[in-house]
Amino acid sequence: EDKVVQSPLSLVVHEGDTVTLNCSYEVTNFRSLLWYKQEKKAPTFLFMLTSSGIEKKSGRLSSILDKKELFSILNITATQTGDSAVYLCAVEAAGGTSYGKLTFGQGTILTVHP
Amino acid sequence: NAGVTQTPKFQVLKTGQSMTLQCAQDMNHNSMYWYRQDPGMGLRLIYYSASEGTTDKGEVPNGYNVSRLNKREFSLRLESAAPSQTSVYFCASSRGQGPYHKNIQYFGAGTRLSVL
Repeated sequence: EDKVVQSPLSLVVHEGDTVTLNCSYEVTNFRSLLWYKQEKKAPTFLFMLTSSGIEKKSGRLSSILDKKELFSILNITATQTGDSAVYLCAVEAAGGTSYGKLTFGQGTILTVHP
Repeated sequence: NAGVTQTPKFQVLKTGQSMTLQCAQDMNHNSMYWYRQDPGMGLRLIYYSASEGTTDKGEVPNGYNVSRLNKREFSLRLESAAPSQTSVYFCASSRGQGPYHKNIQYFGAGTRLSVL
């Protein structure tokens, strides 16, 4: 059974801090790993990673995948109150009926204080 | 540009009542999904539809049925609601499944359901 574990489960920081969110996984025949940000409502897509060692970057957010050690990290630099959200990690397996089905972790609740 | 639209946004049911959650997408996506989200458990897949005319069970299908009405619409039905089905339900869509598609799923705003 595919499994995704995120840590920490919650994190409280002050504006300007840098945070690192972790996602480890066990999946048969890995295809991709995705990060989503969930504020009050719908999860919104941040990154998709498929190759080890290639950093994806969008503004203050960046993410990298290590397929050998089976984990990914999401970094947020110079945090702002608007970064407060639940960050979700999900993995997709390849092959047969596994294509397209995502297994999600529990999420990390990030709170950024002014 | 609406994306994925879910109705209703909130619903309260009594145990044993039935209801249907509606989902529609306007992105011409082939694949659609229903998830439930409970505290501390992330998103769990209930049912999915890889393409129009097909549906399959996910991780937690018991107590639910689905209908892929057409390419745009995918509904989730609770035939006899139970308190254990109190949750937030999300619909999502993606371009398609299989090795030739990037499976980025786009989510609706969710339906908060309480079963008393």
